[in-house]
Amino acid sequence: AQKVTQAQTEISVVEKEDVTLDCVYETRDTTYYLFWYKQPPSGELVFLIRRNSFDEQNEISGRYSWNFQKSTSSFNFTITASQVVDSAVYFCALSEARRGNNRLAFGKGNQVVVIP
Amino acid sequence: DTGVSQDPRHKITKRGQNVTFRCDPISEHNRLYWYRQTLGQGPEFLTYFQNEAQLEKSRLLSDRFSAERPKGSFSTLEIQRTEQGDSAMYLCASSPPGLNSPLHFGNGTRLTVT
Repeated sequence: AQKVTQAQTEISVVEKEDVTLDCVYETRDTTYYLFWYKQPPSGELVFLIRRNSFDEQNEISGRYSWNFQKSTSSFNFTITASQVVDSAVYFCALSEARRGNNRLAFGKGNQVVVIP
Repeated sequence: DTGVSQDPRHKITKRGQNVTFRCDPISEHNRLYWYRQTLGQGPEFLTYFQNEAQLEKSRLLSDRFSAERPKGSFSTLEIQRTEQGDSAMYLCASSPPGLNSPLHFGNGTRLTVT
């Protein structure tokens, strides 16, 4: 069964500090997809980034970067130079190709509080 | 792209009443999902439609829950004989075909059962 674990519950940082969110996943599928979503206080889940299991290249997109390590089943996410608008709950999610659809299994989320 | 819209945003009902929520997905998206989210938790999958066909249902979806997508466009989620444990945020999402396509979520319907 697919499972996503986000161990940290709430993380507080001072504005301009970097914040890294940890995500560990479990799957028996060999092809899968990993996502990070942001849920601001308004409630709407916003897609941030996606990584395919067969592509371990780490990337940077603006202030976001991610570190995908298949060997440790981890997909960590970093916000560089945090801003107050980054305050939100961040969810890591996994979908498995064997299901034939893009149903997501979510972790419990990390509450990020950026202090001005 | 007008986004996924859900109606109503909030619903307060008394235990035992029936409620129905509506979701309008992004027009060109053939896949539609319903999720439920309780406080402090991540969204939990309820059911999935591809066009008008309901292809997958979670064990969380008891007999009191039913979902439809009659013409492959909008969808409805009905809860019969509501219980206090049904209080949650109900989220709808849609996506185009493609296993790695991200889901696009609506703002959700917050249900409170008193």
